Amino acid sequence: GAGVSQSPRYKVTKRGQDVALRCDPISGHVSLYWYRQALGQGPEFLTYFNYEAQQDKSGLPNDRFSAERPEGSISTLTIQRTEQRDSAMYRCASSPPRGTGTLDEQFFGPGTRLTVL
Amino acid sequence: GNSVTQMEGPVTLSEEAFLTINCTYTATGYPSLFWYVQYPGEGLQLLLKATKADDKGSNKGFEATYRKETTSFHLEKGSVQVSDSAVYFCALKGSSNTGKLIFGQGTTLQVKP
Repeated sequence: GAGVSQSPRYKVTKRGQDVALRCDPISGHVSLYWYRQALGQGPEFLTYFNYEAQQDKSGLPNDRFSAERPEGSISTLTIQRTEQRDSAMYRCASSPPRGTGTLDEQFFGPGTRLTVL
Repeated sequence: GNSVTQMEGPVTLSEEAFLTINCTYTATGYPSLFWYVQYPGEGLQLLLKATKADDKGSNKGFEATYRKETTSFHLEKGSVQVSDSAVYFCALKGSSNTGKLIFGQGTTLQVKP
């Protein structure tokens, strides 16, 4: 079946603009995670949803960052008034309900490479 | 807080050489441990995992054993191939229910024929 998809794959924007990054999880996966990965580093947790509820947003760096998952499926990560330091790969992952045989595994999408000029 | 430390790369090996990539962690409680791999141009894929002390995860000839006494989860492979060239990430999931993964910085492996 289809994996996690993200769009756009590449986004170049000017400083001060808002951007919206989309994640489409694997069908039936109830948990959805957003991570940010700087060049040469491991992914860093941003936020987590269980169905439509945002369970943990402790990793969002400041109030310019927000995320939503209104119908418990597709999620959007929005960055307002982008800054050059926001340039990174933004990765989305989803995981199935507990008890379905793949405990703890997160399936990652290809990522969106954001460049802020 | 929870953290993961990996050996710095890049690691360059000849084909059929033995591979070890060190990973140590700091965590409260009983975390689950993972190795993810990122092949060139692709996304992150789960390579193997272990959910309790002394468990051994294995896949594609790679192995890692969850050592609570040394807080380590070192990745090993007896004979690497050129196709194993990738970036390897060690990660942990804490005992809480959020499910978020904490990753190490990644280790680049380059295998030469």
